[in-house]
Order: sequence, then structure tokens, then C-alpha cells
Amino acid sequence: AQTVTQSQPEMSVQEAETVTLSCTYDTSESNYYLFWYKQPPSRQMILVIRQEAYKQQNATENRFSVNFQKAAKSFSLKISDSQLGDTAMYFCAFMRPYSGAGSYQLTFGKGTKLSVIP
Amino acid sequence: GAVVSQHPSRVICKSGTSVKIECRSLDFQATTMFWYRQFPKQSLMLMATSNEGSKATYEQGVEKDKFLINHASLTLSTLTVTSAHPEDSSFYICSARDEVPSASTDTQYFGPGTRLTVL
Repeated sequence: AQTVTQSQPEMSVQEAETVTLSCTYDTSESNYYLFWYKQPPSRQMILVIRQEAYKQQNATENRFSVNFQKAAKSFSLKISDSQLGDTAMYFCAFMRPYSGAGSYQLTFGKGTKLSVIP
Repeated sequence: GAVVSQHPSRVICKSGTSVKIECRSLDFQATTMFWYRQFPKQSLMLMATSNEGSKATYEQGVEKDKFLINHASLTLSTLTVTSAHPEDSSFYICSARDEVPSASTDTQYFGPGTRLTVL
């Protein structure tokens, strides 16, 4: 079974600054996907960024980037130039690839509440 | 692209009644949909995995007879909370897995959620 750990229940950052959210995971799989989802006060889960484990290059999406360390099983999210709209719960998640024989669910961490301070 | 709708967004019902929540993938086909429950300030708890054309797979501790799931088409799954009681009050979220056979698109997308209040 997979586990995902987010060790920072809450964080805060000044507007325009950079913040890094931590995530570690445990799995015996060699191929998998990792995600960061954002849940703002509206409670809509929004995909922030996605990483395929077989790709060494770290994923980036505009102001969001990850530091993926496969050997260390670490997947941190860096938010640059933080904006007020980044205030949300951030969930790290793990998923096994579709195999055709069945479909696997997301395993979530407990989340990190990020507050961006004006 | 990759939009999932959920209806209703909010429902209030009396104890003992049944409530149906719909989850639709609007621009992709989803062989698999998932239903989650989220308590305040907590992470998502998977309730069941819904596969088109077959019976849902429920997580341990989730009552199959209380939470009925139907996945009648590749774009629609429904969750029916039967004989609802106040303890069923919660935030329910569905997701749909875009399973177009490409490693770059294998992702789950979430509906906006349904807040259920049972009086």
C-alpha cells in the first residue's frame, strides 16, 4: 500500500515571496504519478501540477514547480511570486498508472493549509 | 478541457429521505469515477470506485446499502444516500479519471462537490 505524508499542517508566506511545501511518499512501485491539488475555500479540487515518475525532469506550470527526488521519495511544491489567490489547502497525491485490468485510486496526504499574507 | 460537473451543489433533506448526487464528465469519457467524502479540515476519504457497466467497489467501512452507486454510462455516475441521517451530513466529491491511453493524460479531475445537510 502507498502512503503520502505532508509534514506541514499550516504555512504562511508573504505576497510575492516564494514558498515550498513538502511531501514524501512510500511505495514499492517503480512507475507512478504524483500530483499536487489545490483546494481553495470554494472546496473545488484543482489540479496544480503532475509528475510522471519515469521522467527525471521536474514538472513546471507557470509559477508552480516541483522538486522530484525519486530515490528519496520526495515531491515538494515550490510556489514563486505567491499571490493572494494561492491561499488554499494543498494536497499531495499518488496514483498508479492505468493498467487496463483495473483502475487505481489516488492516495492523498493530509494537506497543508497555505495562507498568503498581503 | 477535463471538466467534471456535480449536481446538486447543496442539498438539505429530512432524516429518512434519500438523496441522489450526479457526477458527469463533460468533455471526456471516464471508465472509472470515484466518490469521496470530506469532513471539515480533513483530507478526502475515498468511499468507492465506480466502474462503468459493473458494480462499484466500496472501501472498508462504507455501507453498500446506504451509499448506492450507479455508473450507467461513460460520462455519468450517481451516488444515492438512502435513508439519510444527520451523521451522513458531509461534503461529497466525485472525480473522474481521464483514461485516454496516454501517460500524459492519465489524471483524475474533480467535481465541485455537494454539501449534504440532513436535518
